[in-house]
Parts: sequence; C-alpha cells; structure tokens
Amino acid sequence: TQTVSQSDAHVTVFEGDSVELRCNYSYGGSIYLSWYIQHHGHGLQFLLKYYSGNPVVQGVNGFEAEFSKSDSSFHLRKASVHWSDSAVYFCAVSAHYAQGLTFGLGTRVSVFP
Amino acid sequence: EAAVTQSPRNKVAVTGGKVTLSCNQTNNHNNMYWYRQDTGHGLRLIHYSYGAGSTEKGDIPDGYKASRPSQENFSLILELATPSQTSVYFCASGDTPEVFFGKGTRLTVV
Repeated sequence: TQTVSQSDAHVTVFEGDSVELRCNYSYGGSIYLSWYIQHHGHGLQFLLKYYSGNPVVQGVNGFEAEFSKSDSSFHLRKASVHWSDSAVYFCAVSAHYAQGLTFGLGTRVSVFP
Repeated sequence: EAAVTQSPRNKVAVTGGKVTLSCNQTNNHNNMYWYRQDTGHGLRLIHYSYGAGSTEKGDIPDGYKASRPSQENFSLILELATPSQTSVYFCASGDTPEVFFGKGTRLTVV
C-alpha cells in the first residue's frame, strides 16, 4: 500500500515570491510520482511526473519538482508565482501504469498581489 | 488534447434511488478511472478499467458498480444511493501517472 503526505494544508504567498510544496510518500518498490493542479470548480490537470533518471523534473508553467529517495520526497517548486497559480496542488503516487493514482490531501496555494 | 466529458454536471438524487454517472473520452485511452473527492479525504479511487468489458475495484468500491461497454464510455452506478455518497465525482482516462480528468459531477443525495 502506498501513502502520500502533504504537510501544508494552506500556503499564502505574494506574487513574485517563490514557493515550495512538500510531498512525502511511503512505498517499498518502484513508484511513479506526479503533481496535479486543481483550480476552483475544475478537474485536476497534470503538472509533471517522475519515474527514474534526473531527480529534478520540469513541468508546465515554470513548475519543477525534485525527487529524493533518501527522504521519500517529491517536493514541488516555482521560482516566481503568479496570481493565476492560486489553486489546490495534489501530489500523487502510483505503483502501476493502469491501476490509478493515490493522492495526498492537497495544498491550497493563495497568491496575493 | 485528451477530452474527458462527464454528464450530468450536477445531480440531485433521492435516498434509495438509482444513479448513473456517465463519462466519455475521445483519446482512445485503454485505462479509465472513477474517483470521488471529499473535504478531508482528497481524491479516492472507486473503480477503474483496463478496456472495454473490464472493471476493477479501487480503494472504496462498496456501494458502487462500474460499467465499461466501449473504449470511449465508462459509467459509475449507484444502485441504492445514500446520503454518504454525496460528493464530487471525477472520471479520468490515460496511463498513470499522466491522466486526464473530466470537470466533475456534483452529486447530492437527499
């Protein structure tokens, strides 16, 4: 069984600030890791993924994430946030390509001008 | 871009009634999924499918059935709806970890 923990329920930042959203997981084997964004009233949209190789992966709209096997983490970062980045961000894991994702509870990001 | 369309977008059902939520995808994905989203629980997997004719139980299948009559369509069926099934339901398609979600169906069981 895999589990995902997102330690921050809500993060508040100002436009232009950097932000890091934390994600820790537990699973004994190989795992797919990903981040999704959900704007209010919408479905989830894929941001980026990691399975192997370079531990730093780039996603859409300037987001990147870094995998750490020693910490069992996959933290999401953005160097300079925009008001449109206000949303809920979900970290997700999967042990198999066809058996669905296990999500964390999400981190709400509020960006103020 | 992959398109996943859910219908209806909003539904009010009576306790004990039958509810069918429909999902259609146009990207020829083999794998499809149904999730529910609740405050404090995040998204949880109800059922998934590997292709036409296949349905598999996810993490919280009790009280739900699924049907995959074709590559494009995947339905979620609540035979006897209960108030605890009030939630927002999302359909998705694709190979994890990169899947495409619909806009969701808000179901209220009264």
